[in-house]
Amino acid sequence: GESVGLHLPTLSVQEGDNSIINCAYSNSASDYFIWYKQESGKGPQFIIDIRSNMDKRQGQRVTVLLNKTVKHLSLQIAATQPGDSAVYFCAENGGSSNTGKLIFGQGTTLQVKP
Amino acid sequence: DTGVSQDPRHKITKRGQNVTFRCDPISEHNRLYWYRQTLGQGPEFLTYFQNEAQLEKSRLLSDRFSAERPKGSFSTLEIQRTEQGDSAMYLCASSSGTGSWANVLTFGAGSRLTVL
Repeated sequence: GESVGLHLPTLSVQEGDNSIINCAYSNSASDYFIWYKQESGKGPQFIIDIRSNMDKRQGQRVTVLLNKTVKHLSLQIAATQPGDSAVYFCAENGGSSNTGKLIFGQGTTLQVKP
Repeated sequence: DTGVSQDPRHKITKRGQNVTFRCDPISEHNRLYWYRQTLGQGPEFLTYFQNEAQLEKSRLLSDRFSAERPKGSFSTLEIQRTEQGDSAMYLCASSSGTGSWANVLTFGAGSRLTVL
């Protein structure tokens, strides 16, 4: 069945280090993937997205990598800052193009140590 | 524009009572979504509207749940005869509904429901 999951529930990194958050998905029909950040008491906030016709996309301090062969997605955060502490969710569209109907994973909590 | 607004932020109710949540999306967004999030889990899709039309409902949305968007602007989500299993954060989101931007959802802060 469909599932979007993250490999680690919690990731702890030192301030200034790079962070890598991983995600596995199983629906090969998915052609759009997105990362959200959720801080305590807030709704999820868009970070970066990628379409299946790409394998890498860069934003400000963030990079998303997509490996369709092994159905793997990762989010890289450069020079991690205390403000990056949050829960990170990957999501896929399950092949439902442009509907906004997303399937979210369980999330990885990123803890940044000063 | 202050983003997506949800009200109330917190609601505590007794089992069997009815509750209603309101969502005001970003004004220029024509799509509006409801998701549910339980503790430690990612959001789960419930339903979405394009303008005033409800286009899809999840199987999670039992007949005790009803969502409306009567004028294509704000939306309400009503839960009748609440059960303890309904306790969750109810998230509203909106998007422009244009091409790939339809997938970029802007979420509100959520309405947390606790059913005693």
